[in-house]
Amino acid sequence: AQSVTQLDSQVPVFEEAPVELRCNYSSSVSVYLFWYVQYPNQGLQLLLKYLSGSTLVKGINGFEAEFNKSQTSFHLRKPSVHISDTAEYFCAVILNTGNQFYFGTGTSLTVIP
Amino acid sequence: EAGVAQSPRYKIIEKRQSVAFWCNPISGHATLYWYQQILGQGPKLLIQFQNNGVVDDSQLPKDRFSAERLKGVDSTLKIQPAKLEDSAVYLCASSFWGGGRETQYFGPGTRLLVL
Repeated sequence: AQSVTQLDSQVPVFEEAPVELRCNYSSSVSVYLFWYVQYPNQGLQLLLKYLSGSTLVKGINGFEAEFNKSQTSFHLRKPSVHISDTAEYFCAVILNTGNQFYFGTGTSLTVIP
Repeated sequence: EAGVAQSPRYKIIEKRQSVAFWCNPISGHATLYWYQQILGQGPKLLIQFQNNGVVDDSQLPKDRFSAERLKGVDSTLKIQPAKLEDSAVYLCASSFWGGGRETQYFGPGTRLLVL
């Protein structure tokens, strides 16, 4: 069975500080990995995705994530956060043989001025 | 390019009542998804359409939930009768052809409160 674990439900961080949001997955087959962001009262928006190739993936708004197959992780990072990054962040996986997303429970990032 | 449209944005009903949500995907997108997002949880897929056919409805509570996409464009999700535990945000998403590598584009969601 597939599952996605986001270890931190809430992450407070000061403005301009770095942040890492953790995501681990379990799957018996190869997967594609995604990070989505959800701003208040809005739908989900794709930040970045890993399909194949380079394990370091750069996305929008200065975010990046690194796929680590041995640790089955896909942590999201940003070197310097802004107030506008305050939002809910969801990690998701999809089997390379399927088309159903499995979402994590989300991490609420709060940037403190 | 217009995004995924959903209506209504908010709905409050009493338990045992019926409710319907509407979704219009991005033009040209063959695949349409309905998700349920309960507070504090990630979205859970309810049903996936490819054009007007159902690809996956394994997690749809079929005793009370139904969905259709008759002309392969817009879609309606219905709950009849509603229960308290149906309170959630219902998200619609679409993608071009539904392959695993594809990005899904999400609408703003319909927030349902069942009293």
